[in-house]
Amino acid sequence: AQKVTQAQTEISVVEKEDVTLDCVYETRDTTYYLFWYKQPPSGELVFLIRRNSFDEQNEISGRYSWNFQKSTSSFNFTITASQVVDSAVYFCALSEPQTGANNLFFGTGTRLTVIP
Amino acid sequence: GAVVSQHPSWVICKSGTSVKIECRSLDFQATTMFWYRQFPKQSLMLMATSNEGSKATYEQGVEKDKFLINHASLTLSTLTVTSAHPEDSSFYICSARDSVQFGVGYTFGSGTRLTVV
Repeated sequence: AQKVTQAQTEISVVEKEDVTLDCVYETRDTTYYLFWYKQPPSGELVFLIRRNSFDEQNEISGRYSWNFQKSTSSFNFTITASQVVDSAVYFCALSEPQTGANNLFFGTGTRLTVIP
Repeated sequence: GAVVSQHPSWVICKSGTSVKIECRSLDFQATTMFWYRQFPKQSLMLMATSNEGSKATYEQGVEKDKFLINHASLTLSTLTVTSAHPEDSSFYICSARDSVQFGVGYTFGSGTRLTVV
């Protein structure tokens, strides 16, 4: 079973529009961590945020904001006033330290294209 | 912040040859490193977990004799693709976790794009 689901494969928006990237996760652990990474065309992974399962407060960082809802097992990412430089593939990921695996489980990614 | 250096960033090799990729944590110790593979327009799939001083743990379907992992020190893990074939062409990326400042922080290398011709 897929631990992290990113249902949106590709999204295109016009510059300055807001866009929300969805992420739904599945875990039986009570302690877990959720991440968002950005992967530009060059390939490297850029860390955006880490959230632990006990902290449901939404977070805002500049034009980025994250909505963590344990009730729906979702950790959605919103970019406001999108810019061309936001064009990339965005990955949501889950870590389950209680199971001892310690690695990250990645979603399939959402390719965001911001059209000028 | 924590930095992971991965080399080479790209490599082209002939079919049948072997290629070694290095992943080095520059300013922290990493007991555990992870190796991922990403095919074009696909997600990152964990290949193996590299543990310092012990054998790597491979994910199901990953041939351990083909993808040799060595983690001889707390700052260096290597992945060797032996007898590479065109189907091994992919983007390989490593990740390391700080052994001291555990904090579930993962730092990724910049990746290696392997093309086998």
